[in-house]
Amino acid sequence: NAGVMQNPRHLVRRRGQEARLRCSPVKGHSHVYWYRQLPEEGLKFMVYLQKENIIDESGMPKERFSAEFPKEGPSILRIQQVVRGDSAAYFCASSPTPQDSPLHFGNGTRLTVT
Amino acid sequence: QQPVQSPQAVILREGEDAVINCSSSKALYSVHWYRQKHGEAPVFLMILLKGGEQKGHEKISASFNEKKQQSSLYLTASQLSYSGTYFCGTELPGANNLFFGTGTRLTVIP
Repeated sequence: NAGVMQNPRHLVRRRGQEARLRCSPVKGHSHVYWYRQLPEEGLKFMVYLQKENIIDESGMPKERFSAEFPKEGPSILRIQQVVRGDSAAYFCASSPTPQDSPLHFGNGTRLTVT
Repeated sequence: QQPVQSPQAVILREGEDAVINCSSSKALYSVHWYRQKHGEAPVFLMILLKGGEQKGHEKISASFNEKKQQSSLYLTASQLSYSGTYFCGTELPGANNLFFGTGTRLTVIP
């Protein structure tokens, strides 16, 4: 079984550009989570989505960041007008249920803003 | 809401034991433990639900004291492959996500 697939693995953007990060969950998992990790730091929750719905976006910055998980296709984390402070590793995780289940993480997308 | 982990870092020789602690100021529904190697994805180790249970995974086990909102990860007879950063993730009742601690960097040397 394929695990969580994230792409691209590395993404370089200039300040002001847009970054689009993709995540395909484990087959059969309908719960997707996005986390951000700065170097040498922990994982910071950003957003939790189910198919076509944002359930909890309490960790997402109010501006420039958005996420979606359409009925068909991968989940997308979109960052508009990127700034240097957005440079980080962004991990996507999926689970079959919202609680009591392990999170299956993808290998992450490392975003570098120049 | 972020749990506190201790110690921040520990260095062990092969065969030695270690304990990593995770505490929360809030009542917890469950505690998860993950290990992340440098440049890789976090990998699930185990979940503990409230009830004070203890679980094991090879030579790695954990406990959850729900009264104290604390969990401990026990690594016995450490192996080189145990090196990495260990994160606890805490789940509140009715919540939809995990809040992760800042991590404990474990280094096992020959």
